Amino acid sequence: DTAVSQTPKYLVTQMGNDKSIKCEQNLGHDTMYWYKQDSKKFLKIMFSYNNKELIINETVPNRFSPKSPDKAHLNLHINSLELGDSAVYFCASSQFRGGIQYFGAGTRLSVL
Amino acid sequence: EDKVVQSPLSLVVHEGDTVTLNCSYEVTNFRSLLWYKQEKKAPTFLFMLTSSGIEKKSGRLSSILDKKELFSILNITATQTGDSAVYLCAVEGGAGSYQLTFGKGTKLSVIP
Repeated sequence: DTAVSQTPKYLVTQMGNDKSIKCEQNLGHDTMYWYKQDSKKFLKIMFSYNNKELIINETVPNRFSPKSPDKAHLNLHINSLELGDSAVYFCASSQFRGGIQYFGAGTRLSVL
Repeated sequence: EDKVVQSPLSLVVHEGDTVTLNCSYEVTNFRSLLWYKQEKKAPTFLFMLTSSGIEKKSGRLSSILDKKELFSILNITATQTGDSAVYLCAVEGGAGSYQLTFGKGTKLSVIP
């Protein structure tokens, strides 16, 4: 029973394509997050949703669009992929806004 | 700008050694400091610290926070090869008050 699960685990695609990463949590948490971990292993917040409402939207290109159909799911759609988008993307959730965050296993995106 | 600085960036020790990992921060609206362990995939939660001077302990790992001097340390005693990982420090706070700002991590390698 994986608490925070992401699909796919690996994604290899060409520049210019559009792709989505899905995230689901079965912890009953209210808040979900997307992070990007670049090649230097630096983990940086991208978005956060609380009960389907966007609460954190860091400076990321508007090619990245999060969508939360319900509080257990937070998907990330990326348009017109660029080489610099290659990274590991982590989804996380917390019971409320703030506090301990539980991470998914990550999606390794490679843009060729 | 919110900042979390970890030191050292990497560390190689022998099994049985004791290590101390450092984390200093400058974050507005500080709420808590968290330590995570990242092996190959998802960061896994270790400790959450909110009060100064109170040590949190779990087996061979312990951590303490100094809110006056704005730092925390993570101690690992009698290290084992299974402790090899990247240890991430994150501070909750910032403009949104609930987001985590991560340090770059300390890569610990424990050799037999």
